Amino acid sequence: GDSVTQMEGPVTLSEEAFLTINCTYTATGYPSLFWYVQYPGEGLQLLLKATKADDKGSNKGFEATYRKETTSFHLEKGSVQVSDSAVYFCALTPFGGNEKLTFGTGTRLTIIP
Amino acid sequence: EAGVVQSPRYKIIEKKQPVAFWCNPISGHNTLYWYRQNLGQGPELLIRYENEEAVDDSQLPKDRFSAERLKGVDSTLKIQPAELGDSAVYLCASSPGGAGINEQFFGPGTRLTVL
Repeated sequence: GDSVTQMEGPVTLSEEAFLTINCTYTATGYPSLFWYVQYPGEGLQLLLKATKADDKGSNKGFEATYRKETTSFHLEKGSVQVSDSAVYFCALTPFGGNEKLTFGTGTRLTIIP
Repeated sequence: EAGVVQSPRYKIIEKKQPVAFWCNPISGHNTLYWYRQNLGQGPELLIRYENEEAVDDSQLPKDRFSAERLKGVDSTLKIQPAELGDSAVYLCASSPGGAGINEQFFGPGTRLTVL
């Protein structure tokens, strides 16, 4: 079945550091890929998405590129802030539309000033 | 615009007791999802509704779990009887439905503790 493997955490970085959170997937066909973020005390929010190979999703300074050849969707940010501290989830839907999301286990990110 | 509303936010019960969770999706959203998130894990789908119809309940433990979505709006998820392993966060999400890639909007969740 479909699966998502995420870089294990927790990850602790200093403010203004470069961030990479690795995500690889296994799926049949051409899935759509997502990054969701969960801030402390809040619900899951969509951070960015990509729906086909070589697409780049971006939002709030975060980027991720859909790499079909390596089945990856790594999350990057050039300069993190304390406010980026949260749990980040990589996810996919197999065919897009209204299908269920399959999530990774999440990566807890803590940014220290 | 109001987001997905869930209640209660927290629930503590003893094993073998029944429990119910309620979800009000975003107005106009036809698709509703219930996910369960165990500690340290990502959410996993329990059931998906398109309007009133449950179109994917393959992961719902039907011996003890039940769900309904009357009139295609609010939804209730019930566990009877609860077991220790049911302790988790239960998340409700909704999306507009229809063609294309639809973002799922999540509620804050109900944290269930079974003692």
